[in-house]
Amino acid sequence: EIVMTQSPVTLSVSPGERATLSCRASQSISTNLAWYQQKPGQAPRLLIYAASTRATGIPARFSGSGSGTEFTLTISSLQSEDFAVYYCQQYKNWTFGQGTKVEIK
Amino acid sequence: EVQLVESGGVVVQPGGSLRLSCAASGFVFDDYTMHWVRQVPGKGLEWVALIDWGGISTYYADSVKGRFTISRDNSRNSLYLQMNSLTTEDTALYYCVKDDYGPFDHWGQGTLVTVSS
Repeated sequence: EIVMTQSPVTLSVSPGERATLSCRASQSISTNLAWYQQKPGQAPRLLIYAASTRATGIPARFSGSGSGTEFTLTISSLQSEDFAVYYCQQYKNWTFGQGTKVEIK
Repeated sequence: EVQLVESGGVVVQPGGSLRLSCAASGFVFDDYTMHWVRQVPGKGLEWVALIDWGGISTYYADSVKGRFTISRDNSRNSLYLQMNSLTTEDTALYYCVKDDYGPFDHWGQGTLVTVSS
């Protein structure tokens, strides 16, 4: 099983600041990586796939990078609606990271 | 518009069985692999099972292998999860998810399964 490890567990950021979230795979997954956003009481929403491609309707302030085992999700200027939990997922055999909660500082 | 509507979640006793259903609409159902993903309230996401477009290939998380069975009826645009030998560890919100040839691009709102005596 491929283990996905996200850091930090919680990220405190002020609105308008940049947020950088990390995700590490226990073995190489090429770019078979997606990022999801989940708000309280809602289902997860696909943000990024193939490590760096934004899903339909996702604002340009969200960007993804990385390949192999190290990946990053960057939110360039946090808006109020971006405070949520973010999960990475590898889709070679579908495991998720444990999530990073982005909270208001 | 893609819609995935789960149903069947209830309170069940340990050792019991349950069948979840997911009604899909807004896309060509039999073109896509489908998954079940679960989430303990307040915790992270756990992939549970997948079934390919034709219902031939299935895969399961180790935590449910041998107890859960995923199936689909393409004529009814429906996905199912038969859950047997349930334990308290299976208590979770179960999501029906569409696979867009890799990433999970659409999720239902989930159905809550509670295993409790």
